[in-house]
Amino acid sequence: DAMVIQNPRYQVTQFGKPVTLSCSQTLNHNVMYWYQQKSSQAPKLLFHYYDKDFNNEADTPDNFQSRRPNTSFCFLDIRSPGLGDAAMYLCATSSGGGLAGADTQYFGPGTRLTVL
Amino acid sequence: AQKVTQAQTEISVVEKEDVTLDCVYETRDTTYYLFWYKQPPSGELVFLIRRNSFDEQNEISGRYSWNFQKSTSSFNFTITASQVVDSAVYFCALSEAKGTGFQKLVFGTGTRLLVSP
Repeated sequence: DAMVIQNPRYQVTQFGKPVTLSCSQTLNHNVMYWYQQKSSQAPKLLFHYYDKDFNNEADTPDNFQSRRPNTSFCFLDIRSPGLGDAAMYLCATSSGGGLAGADTQYFGPGTRLTVL
Repeated sequence: AQKVTQAQTEISVVEKEDVTLDCVYETRDTTYYLFWYKQPPSGELVFLIRRNSFDEQNEISGRYSWNFQKSTSSFNFTITASQVVDSAVYFCALSEAKGTGFQKLVFGTGTRLLVSP
């Protein structure tokens, strides 16, 4: 029944060591989003894909990159993680058809990243 | 600019009490959408409800109910007879009805609900 899947659920990396988080979906949605959520804060949008079109938020650091090889999968790459990048990373999808505002985003369970 | 305010940072109740989570929003648009999401300790954001700006009918789903009042720009969420499993952080969010494809959600800061036995 899982619709948006994230792996791994917990990831530990070392300062400066590249890390990749993955997200997959069974909803066949056009749009996939990556959010960063720090403790006691709301999720913060990093970027999204509409189909193959990548859209970065203006304040997303260059250290964060994303790839979407096909409709089902999307990856978040952190090139050189710093201590400040420790957070929960949430993937979400929405259908992308019709009026965007009326869409509903469905979230995965998240990956909790620890940077040592 | 759009803004969502959840003034209650944390609420503690005892099981079976009713509790209301407040959400106040700001937008210049006449057409917009409001959402509530639940985030239990496991971390996943669970969609609860979507409401468009033209539908001011209150909605009830089991123990959950929502009161949308455009006159006060509020979209409050009530849990009746709360249970321990309701313990979570609840986020209210707003999106504009512009364009197609990408949806930009503006989240409130969330309200942490603690329900004790």
